[in-house]
Amino acid sequence: KAGVTQTPRYLIKTRGQQVTLSCSPISGHRSVSWYQQTPGQGLQFLFEYFSETQRNKGNFPGRFSGRQFSNSRSEMNVSTLELGDSALYLCASSLGQGSGISGYTFGSGTRLTVV
Amino acid sequence: QQPVQSPQAVILREGEDAVINCSSSKALYSVHWYRQKHGEAPVFLMILLKGGEQKGHEKISASFNEKKQQSSLYLTASQLSYSGTYFCGTPENSGGSNYKLTFGKGTLLTVNP
Repeated sequence: KAGVTQTPRYLIKTRGQQVTLSCSPISGHRSVSWYQQTPGQGLQFLFEYFSETQRNKGNFPGRFSGRQFSNSRSEMNVSTLELGDSALYLCASSLGQGSGISGYTFGSGTRLTVV
Repeated sequence: QQPVQSPQAVILREGEDAVINCSSSKALYSVHWYRQKHGEAPVFLMILLKGGEQKGHEKISASFNEKKQQSSLYLTASQLSYSGTYFCGTPENSGGSNYKLTFGKGTLLTVNP
């Protein structure tokens, strides 16, 4: 079966711009979680969506937002980009809410560079 | 609260063993382990549940001691394919859903021929 698909793979944006990242979970998976990965901080939880509703949120500013559609696809938006937002953004899908006992399946990520 | 992993990095020769530790300052209900190879997505290895359960994946096994709030990952007779960064993840809440996994900063494992 197809894995978790994230688009685009790479993105270069200018400070102050906004960006939208997309994630298509594994077919049948209803939960999508987003993580920011940087060398210094590791994997930081952004938020989780389940059945089109945000169920959990990490400690990120309001510039980071997301949504989930009825087909479970999710988008993440970052407005007013800052240099510190440069990171690999990973999407993780799971069957039910949370990671359950089967764990997350991660996508390959979107590498965002803010210049 | 982010779990603490040790060591930060370890270099092995093929066939050697290694142990990676993960500890938390809060009560743990489960511990997850993932491996991320360079340039790839993290891959789920196993989950350890309350009860000191020990799980295995290939020649990789792990233990979980909820009283000590820690888990250890054991890599036996390491292979070149074991190279990567290993992360432990702990959930914010109890129960089977394991919401909001918080990951440690990772342990970089390098296996040389």
